[in-house]
Amino acid sequence: NAGVTQTPKFQVLKTGQSMTLQCAQDMNHEYMSWYRQDPGMGLRLIHYSVGAGITDQGEVPNGYNVSRSTTEDFPLRLLSAAPSQTSVYFCASSRLGQGYEQYFGPGTRLTVT
Amino acid sequence: GENVEQHPSTLSVQEGDSAVIKCTYSDSASNYFPWYKQELGKRPQLIIDIRSNVGEKKDQRIAVTLNKTAKHFSLHITETQPEDSAVYFCAPVEYGNKLVFGAGTILRVKS
Repeated sequence: NAGVTQTPKFQVLKTGQSMTLQCAQDMNHEYMSWYRQDPGMGLRLIHYSVGAGITDQGEVPNGYNVSRSTTEDFPLRLLSAAPSQTSVYFCASSRLGQGYEQYFGPGTRLTVT
Repeated sequence: GENVEQHPSTLSVQEGDSAVIKCTYSDSASNYFPWYKQELGKRPQLIIDIRSNVGEKKDQRIAVTLNKTAKHFSLHITETQPEDSAVYFCAPVEYGNKLVFGAGTILRVKS
């Protein structure tokens, strides 16, 4: 099993550009989520999904869109990149329900200039 | 929503000493309390968790204790080793699968 995979590992964008961060898991997990990690602030939830076709907003959703057309994939779209979106982005997945371990991907380091 | 605070923000210990990190949360309905470890440049990984019907759980050199009345839980690491150096996050679950992360504690183990 590859677990949770993310691409790309690094990305530099100019302000106003759009892009999609990819996330895939091969564990048949219903729950998937996206976090951003900024220095000194822990991880903050951007969007999450409890299954194909179902998504919802987390703590910091503005500027980001998600969709979940399959169980395996959960892409994160930046609509118009801003310097405030410079961060490390982690995707995670788990079985649905409280108390299941969440497995994180390796992360994408994004810089917006 | 859940408000989570971790203390201390930085902790330096001598190899072999113990380390304790405390996490305070606000939502009395929280029922699941995990701790994640993140090494430099790596992804967060679960190291131990506890459910609300249990007061303490141990796994070799690490343990977690829970005080639901006071709304805090703590990570205890005994006989610290250099490989324990990392950032540790508590992440109580508000409901469903939604983790709410603390700001993290940087643990440095000096050899």
